[in-house]
Amino acid sequence: SQTIHQWPATLVQPVGSPLSLECTVEGTSNPNLYWYRQAAGRGLQLLFYSVGIGQISSEVPQNLSASRPQDRQFILSSKKLLLSDSGFYLCAWEQQGSYEQYFGPGTRLTVT
Amino acid sequence: SQKIEQNSEALNIQEGKTATLTCNYTNYSPAYLQWYRQDPGRGPVFLLLIRENEKEKRKERLKVTFDTTLKQSLFHITASQPADSATYLCARVGAGSYQLTFGKGTKLSVIP
Repeated sequence: SQTIHQWPATLVQPVGSPLSLECTVEGTSNPNLYWYRQAAGRGLQLLFYSVGIGQISSEVPQNLSASRPQDRQFILSSKKLLLSDSGFYLCAWEQQGSYEQYFGPGTRLTVT
Repeated sequence: SQKIEQNSEALNIQEGKTATLTCNYTNYSPAYLQWYRQDPGRGPVFLLLIRENEKEKRKERLKVTFDTTLKQSLFHITASQPADSATYLCARVGAGSYQLTFGKGTKLSVIP
């Protein structure tokens, strides 16, 4: 069976510090991978998606970036965090063509 | 832009009754509508996907309908239980698209 991992589970970072969130998927190959952010009282916002190694598409302009160094690894980064980057970050995977997305447990990021 | 709206932020229902949640979309019909369940502090869990050419889909106590005339999807939970209490998210995606657009969710509370 497939599983998706995210870490860390929670993170408190000062404004201006760097960020690295990691997501890995097990039990599948060549998945589509997604990063979402969920702010309080708002819906899920798609940040990045990837259909293959090194292929990243950005949905919104921001100070975040994503990378996919391996087939089942997806990383969300920032060089300098802003207060507005606080939120619940979710990684998801999808078997290509299925349109069914499966989410990880999420990372709660608080920027102070 | 393609919008999706879940009109009710919260819905309270007595145990044993059928809960009905509504999702409305704008502009052209999505190729797929999906429903997810999200518990506090957790990632969403995929429940059901319904295609544009399907009227109804069932899975155990869950039923989803897709009405392209009304531009609406209804999500039903029959014989509701307190364990069904959660936030339910509706999402749309166009054919060939990688982007899921989520509604803000409806928080369902099943009262014993």
